[in-house]
Order: sequence, then C-alpha cells, then structure tokens
Amino acid sequence: SQELEQSPQSLIVQEGKNLTINCTSSKTLYGLYWYKQKYGEGLIFLMMLQKGGEEKSHEKITAKLDEKKQQSSLHITASQPSHAGIYLCGAEFTGGGNKLTFGTGTQLKVEL
Amino acid sequence: GAGVSQSPSNKVTEKGKDVELRCDPISGHTALYWYRQSLGQGLEFLIYFQGNSAPDKSGLPSDRFSAERTGGSVSTLTIQRTQQEDSAVYLCASSYLTYEQFFGPGTRLTVL
Repeated sequence: SQELEQSPQSLIVQEGKNLTINCTSSKTLYGLYWYKQKYGEGLIFLMMLQKGGEEKSHEKITAKLDEKKQQSSLHITASQPSHAGIYLCGAEFTGGGNKLTFGTGTQLKVEL
Repeated sequence: GAGVSQSPSNKVTEKGKDVELRCDPISGHTALYWYRQSLGQGLEFLIYFQGNSAPDKSGLPSDRFSAERTGGSVSTLTIQRTQQEDSAVYLCASSYLTYEQFFGPGTRLTVL
C-alpha cells in the first residue's frame, strides 16, 4: 500500500470553480510539500508545510496541514486554465531523513 | 543559471550500455537528490547527498546504479548495463540544508 495517498486521481473542473486535493500519510509527517508538474517538465515548488495547523497561500492556492490526521489539503480558488497540470504531494517522514516520498499525483484539467 | 539544470534532456541508449546523467544544483545548495519518475512506479527517491556526509543510497534499485557528487556541487548518476525497465525520467533536486527542494527539468532515458 502507498505511504502517501492522494485523492482524487484526476479532476475536471470548469473555469472559475473551486477545488480541493487531499494527501493522506500512513506515517508521521515531518514535512509536507506540494509541487505542480506539467507534462514533460520538472516539478514546480508550490509550498512546504511543517507545523500542525499551518496554512500557506500562494496566489489562489492554499494548503493546510492537519497534524492529527496526518493529512494535507490543497485548495484552489476560482480555477483558471493555468492551474491545469499534475499536483504532487511529497512527504518527509519523521526519522526518514530529507528524502521525499511522493503520492501518485492528481491530474487537474480546467475547462473553459 | 538560477535553477537546477540537468543534461542531457533526452537520452536514448541500447540495452546493456552504460549511461551517465548530469545534474548542476543551484549555487550554494548543500543537498542534492536524485529521483526517477516512471509510469508504473510514480516518483521514487534514489539517492541523496548532504554536504560531506555519507550519501543516503537507500533508494537505489540495484548495484547497477551509482552516483557521485564532486566538490560538493555537480553530480553524476551512472547506470551500468542498462535494462528496459530503467527507462524513466530522472529528476535531480537541490536544497539549502533541509529546506525546500527545487527540481530540475529531468533527463528522459529510453532504453531500447
């Protein structure tokens, strides 16, 4: 089973709609990263969360970390075509060093 | 350049040949990571260098894989006697200490 589960696997939304992507860990988190990837390109760093209850925002993207649930959510407000891509969460586990374990990704399409 | 760079961007090789992939981290970053991304396995950690410490090689899939980092900067990932299952995108990332990891554009390796 995956140490880091992402849901949903794919998402199609209409432009202007809000959406949420979830990332749940089966192990104790030290840090949780969110990245965006477009096909054939590298990963673009979005945010890193470390403290329980922490919430960060970048433009219209907000991410929160629920330490009790070992879960993070990524919320996009008023989605735009530029938000389309694959969103990946990556985790640093306590005692695991700085290497990241990644979820399977969520493919987001934004329709006009 | 300001970001992580990797070369070549694409590499096609024949089964059984050796390949070398190069990563130039962001100047001043102390840590360097190699990951690979394939359709079947998602994004997986391979190896991690932090300063002068012994590298964390726990993600290397076999002894055909090795990496070195010269002078605390540039890194080379070597795959010997390549197999078809080695076909993937190899991604390099760097960070300052244990802060955010920034990724390069990747090298797409195809083993025929």
